[in-house]
Amino acid sequence: GAGVSQSPSNKVTEKGKDVELRCDPISGHTALYWYRQSLGQGLEFLIYFQGNSAPDKSGLPSDRFSAERTGGSVSTLTIQRTQQEDSAVYLCAIRDTSNYGYTFGSGTRLTVV
Amino acid sequence: GNSVTQMEGPVTLSEEAFLTINCTYTATGYPSLFWYVQYPGEGLQLLLKATKADDKGSNKGFEATYRKETTSFHLEKGSVQVSDSAVYFCADSGGSNYKLTFGKGTLLTVNP
Repeated sequence: GAGVSQSPSNKVTEKGKDVELRCDPISGHTALYWYRQSLGQGLEFLIYFQGNSAPDKSGLPSDRFSAERTGGSVSTLTIQRTQQEDSAVYLCAIRDTSNYGYTFGSGTRLTVV
Repeated sequence: GNSVTQMEGPVTLSEEAFLTINCTYTATGYPSLFWYVQYPGEGLQLLLKATKADDKGSNKGFEATYRKETTSFHLEKGSVQVSDSAVYFCADSGGSNYKLTFGKGTLLTVNP
């Protein structure tokens, strides 16, 4: 959606490879979330960044998943040693604290073969 | 943790029929409530929201009222169109750090 750009839009990778997904939000939004949308699991929270605070990593499914946010703007989600069950659409969202709204990016569709 | 339960689909309606998709939440306090829509091949879009009890969110002919007493936020539309065919997700922001908790989604198909 407008305001959150994600890349790549599609990624096909071989099992065991590492992948890096990128989220580039418009400036000024300090609250950033990653979610995963997969068949059978619906939409699951992964990780949350807020300013300089320690991120909330409570939704990361395993230690193969990590994320960082540099300079309070761009965020990258890294999945190491990908497995077939990692296949999903990974969504990034920002929260607008002025109107309780959330804007989602178009997502990265990850396929692990 | 809290959860959001919405009517399981798929739901199939004829054009101009009345639509209701039920949604209930378990979060305590006063979370904001949302309906998101995902059209075929597209990303999540906010359809409507309500931020406090008794608020009514509305957009594109859809409505939902924040009912604190029944912890519900049912989505309604008086006359659906073929273009409303999509997956609809109910969500609340009652999680820690205002994270959204989503229902599993309801697939709506509207036939001409």
